[in-house]
Amino acid sequence: QKEVEQNSGPLSVPEGAIASLNCTYSDRVSQSFFWYRQYSGKSPELIMSIYSNGDKEDGRFTAQLNKASQYVSLLIRDSQPSDSATYLCAVNLPGTYKYIFGTGTRLKVLA
Amino acid sequence: DVKVTQSSRYLVKRTGEKVFLECVQDMDHENMFWYRQDPGLGLRLIYFSYDVKMKEKGDIPEGYSVSREKKERFSLILESASTNQTSMYLCASTAGTVETQYFGPGTRLLVL
Repeated sequence: QKEVEQNSGPLSVPEGAIASLNCTYSDRVSQSFFWYRQYSGKSPELIMSIYSNGDKEDGRFTAQLNKASQYVSLLIRDSQPSDSATYLCAVNLPGTYKYIFGTGTRLKVLA
Repeated sequence: DVKVTQSSRYLVKRTGEKVFLECVQDMDHENMFWYRQDPGLGLRLIYFSYDVKMKEKGDIPEGYSVSREKKERFSLILESASTNQTSMYLCASTAGTVETQYFGPGTRLLVL
């Protein structure tokens, strides 16, 4: 069974701090990784995708991928109360149309 | 802007009823998916479709069926609703095999 693991949290950070969210995956050949944000009662929306080892930055968000260690992380700089949400990590199963989602990490940014 | 819509935001049904959930996307995406989301269990794939009239079972297809007669529309059918099918149902679509999934707003189904 392919798995994607995330710490459920909640992860609490003060406003303006860096929030670090982590995700590990079990399928060593996975190539495509996604971070989604989900507000309570809403559907997931994409924050970033990452396909290559290293860092990918988009505004206040940085995704980091380390395929050798099988983890992908999301850093949120200058965290805002509006960033309070559940963050889902998703991995595409190679050669398939399927995506495996982690159960999500709940982030709370304290004003 | 990609738009995925679902027929209902909230539904209340009785045990044994046949339930139809409909999803429509307007971006000509090839692939469409149905998930259910439950606390502590995350998103679990019920069925997906990679073309019109083509479908494949996901991880939890029991008690569900799907229909895709047109490219833009993907329906989830609960043949005989049961209380353990109370959940949030999310539809998603993608353009290709490793593309971003775009989600609809979700349908919160309560089966009494």
